[in-house]
Amino acid sequence: DAKTTQPPSMDCAEGRAANLPCNHSTISGNEYVYWYRQIHSQGPQYIIHGLKNNETNEMASLIITEDRKSSTLILPHATLRDTAVYYCIVRVANRDDKIIFGKGTRLHILP
Amino acid sequence: SQTIHQWPATLVQPVGSPLSLECTVEGTSNPNLYWYRQAAGRGLQLLFYSVGIGQISSEVPQNLSASRPQDRQFILSSKKLLLSDSGFYLCAWKGRLNTEAFFGQGTRLTVV
Repeated sequence: DAKTTQPPSMDCAEGRAANLPCNHSTISGNEYVYWYRQIHSQGPQYIIHGLKNNETNEMASLIITEDRKSSTLILPHATLRDTAVYYCIVRVANRDDKIIFGKGTRLHILP
Repeated sequence: SQTIHQWPATLVQPVGSPLSLECTVEGTSNPNLYWYRQAAGRGLQLLFYSVGIGQISSEVPQNLSASRPQDRQFILSSKKLLLSDSGFYLCAWKGRLNTEAFFGQGTRLTVV
């Protein structure tokens, strides 16, 4: 699976949009971009995934660049409950193998 | 709907004692199952994963072992715990048709 690079930490004011970047310059054509988040002392929670088109669900939006070498997770109106570590993972969907998490981005939502 | 059960939530064990953590999944069949460990202030480290009964892949050499005696049961074990085995242990499952993984609530293990 391709490697991802994320900033170690970010701050965002409550009520503003949080934009979390992820670089995956070695992504292959059949690899998807997945985002999870881990709130303190809990298990990671799936947020969203995409292949090449932008995706939106009730939690977030995922913007993937045209060359697919980077993506941005957008939390449109961040709340204090969005404080968590956000992980960007690149992998082939539905493949029977391991799921490797990087170090992620620690997002602090400021009141 | 599918659910994952992991217990106990917290555990304090002396050095040299054995360990058995159990994880069970309901509402699905033939899932991929995973054990992760998260040391204090560190990232998620994949320990073991399984694509079927009796099939275990180990990611890192260590003092732990895993077994899958039934389709939806995944057990993490140790014969003799070390201080370095302390951490937050998470079980996860992924279905064949699902692309995302679902995690249990975790077990916080402290070895003293």
